[in-house]
Amino acid sequence: QAVVTQEPSLTVSPGGTVTLTCGSNTGAVTSGHYPYWFQQKSGQVPRTLIYETSNIHSWTPARFSGSLLGGKAALTLSGAQPEDEADYYCLLHYSGPWVFGGGTKLTVL
Amino acid sequence: EVELVESGGGLVQPGVSLRLSCAVSGFTFSNYWMNWIRQAPGKGLEWVANVKEDGSVKYYLDSVKGRFTASRDNAKNSLYLQMNSLRAEDTAVYFCVGGPKAGHWGRGTLVTVSS
Repeated sequence: QAVVTQEPSLTVSPGGTVTLTCGSNTGAVTSGHYPYWFQQKSGQVPRTLIYETSNIHSWTPARFSGSLLGGKAALTLSGAQPEDEADYYCLLHYSGPWVFGGGTKLTVL
Repeated sequence: EVELVESGGGLVQPGVSLRLSCAVSGFTFSNYWMNWIRQAPGKGLEWVANVKEDGSVKYYLDSVKGRFTASRDNAKNSLYLQMNSLRAEDTAVYFCVGGPKAGHWGRGTLVTVSS
C-alpha cells in the first residue's frame, strides 16, 4: 500500500502561522485523494478537522484551513493557540483503502 | 446526539479470534461507509478496514487481509470486525469511525494480544 509522509514535528509560536504537509509516494496529492486531517490531543480520541481537502466540520476552529500546495495536501493553522498543541494526522484515499500519514507533533511554544 | 460505542476488546493469546462491535446512534447509519481505525500504544493512527453503505464492498489493510473481516448490520445500526489469527502486532485501541464526512469517532476498545 501507498506511503503517506508528514513532518514528524513542528513548532509554532502563539499567534503564529504554521503549515503541515502531507505527501504521497505515488506522486502528487490531488483532490482525488480526498485528503482528510485529524487532530489528537494528548490522551484524547482523535477528531476530524478537515475533509475532502478544504472543508471544515462545524466544530473545527476557523483558524484551521486545508488546501493543496506544491503537490501535497496542506493544513494551515493561522493564529496558533496553546490548545492547538496536538498530533495531527493526514489521511488519503487510494480508490478504496485509506492510508494515514505518520503524524506531525505540533508544539505551540 | 451522535454516539459510537465499541465493545469486544480484551486480552487474548496469539492465534485466537476476537469479534469487535460498534453500536451507532444519532445519524442514518445505512447512508455511510464505516471504518475501523486502530492505534497501537504510543503509535500513530492506522486505518484497518472499511465497509460500503450496503455492505457489498470492503477494503482492508494489507497486513490484515485474510485474517480480519469487517461487516455491518444496518437493521441493528452496528459495525463489526471479526479478527482471526491475532498477532502481537495487532495490539491496539480499535476505533469505529464514520458518519457524514467521517466526522464521528467512538472512544475505542483495547485489544491486547499477548501470551
